[in-house]
Amino acid sequence: RKEVEQDPGPFNVPEGATVAFNCTYSNSASQSFFWYRQDCRKEPKLLMSVYSSGNEDGRFTAQLNRASQYISLLIRDSKLSDSATYLCVVNSRSSGSARQLTFGSGTQLTVLP
Amino acid sequence: NAGVTQTPKFQVLKTGQSMTLQCAQDMNHNSMYWYRQDPGMGLRLIYYSASEGTTDKGEVPNGYNVSRLNKREFSLRLESAAPSQTSVYFCASSEALGQGAWGEQFFGPGTRLTVL
Repeated sequence: RKEVEQDPGPFNVPEGATVAFNCTYSNSASQSFFWYRQDCRKEPKLLMSVYSSGNEDGRFTAQLNRASQYISLLIRDSKLSDSATYLCVVNSRSSGSARQLTFGSGTQLTVLP
Repeated sequence: NAGVTQTPKFQVLKTGQSMTLQCAQDMNHNSMYWYRQDPGMGLRLIYYSASEGTTDKGEVPNGYNVSRLNKREFSLRLESAAPSQTSVYFCASSEALGQGAWGEQFFGPGTRLTVL
């Protein structure tokens, strides 16, 4: 089983739609969770961190369910500019001192006019 | 601030050739990372450096070596390139926030490597 699993999509939605992505992780000791966004042929960039109580940033809402070991990302009122690949990212502590991040393979979103 | 820079942007190698990918950051971060990204696989950690003077293996270190030249620079070397190393390589950096928490990882623009 992969450490972080995401539905690869693609998700094709019309402008203005609400879309949700889920991600499951296998390491119950994971402590930090993130959503990164990656545009085509570009580097990943942090979209938002995911906190235990859930958090919102404008049209984006992230939720964490530790009992079921999944995190979610909800995008409301989708814009054309939201088209990208969304990466679920979970920390995984190794024997080294630096925190390592484990990346899901990403969910591709295309917002259609 | 340039953030994280990588050179070259593109490279084509023949099997058996060697090359070094360069990475530099100007954010005064202690930790730096090298990832590779392949279709359907997500980013996988090759090596990382928690601080200047230390390096550790990640998930897929075979066929690679790294050097943390100073706090700013972290290079990745392919001694004898193989077609399986065809990939996009990203360098990243981050900083500790304290109490075991780490900050955002900032990525460079990537190097697209093809090994024939």
